[in-house]
Amino acid sequence: EVQLVESGGGLVQPGGSLRLSCAASGFILSDFYMNWVRQAPGKGLEWISHITTGSNNIYYADSVKGRFTISRDDAKNLLYLQMSSLRAEDTAVYYCVRSDWLYWGQGTLVTVSS
Amino acid sequence: EIVLTQSPATLSLSPGERATLSCRASQSVSNYLAWYQQKPGQAPRLLIYDASSRATGIPARFSGSGSGTDFTLTISSLEPEDFAVYHCQQRSNWPLTFGGGTKVEIK
Repeated sequence: EVQLVESGGGLVQPGGSLRLSCAASGFILSDFYMNWVRQAPGKGLEWISHITTGSNNIYYADSVKGRFTISRDDAKNLLYLQMSSLRAEDTAVYYCVRSDWLYWGQGTLVTVSS
Repeated sequence: EIVLTQSPATLSLSPGERATLSCRASQSVSNYLAWYQQKPGQAPRLLIYDASSRATGIPARFSGSGSGTDFTLTISSLEPEDFAVYHCQQRSNWPLTFGGGTKVEIK
């Protein structure tokens, strides 16, 4: 069974950093491109980052470019999102999503507040 | 950036009725348009990809149509479990973008 499980969310102060992880199981992570998508409370979905196989190509939304870094460790079946210079508007549930868009994690909540 | 505009924001219907949801793109996305269903506290679920192809396991009452800039998701006869928020997404250009969502609520 394909599963994606995010972790690493929590409360962080403005300007702080956080690293999210997404543990993949039931499939070979190295075979798939991956994405991070977020959803602010009561709002719509926002795609924020994409990474191809072998990390050859990476894309970011303008809202996070220069502050967030996506990476992957295929040997450990893990996808990461390193977030820095966090702002209140980064408060959201963060989902990792496989590139076929069929499989989503359950999400992890990041709250940026003092 | 391609902006997707969904209408209406809220659709109030009764079970058994037909639901028609619209998604309009600010420029052509060819047929690279997907639809998702999201229920409270859950991750989105892929319903339709490439404008009109149903994802695995999606009931036939869900259908998608359109190309270019105008797209429609139709639910032919609403079941109780269909009351949810529906999002469209374009995968034609970076950055990938989503519409603001349409809530289908029980009338």
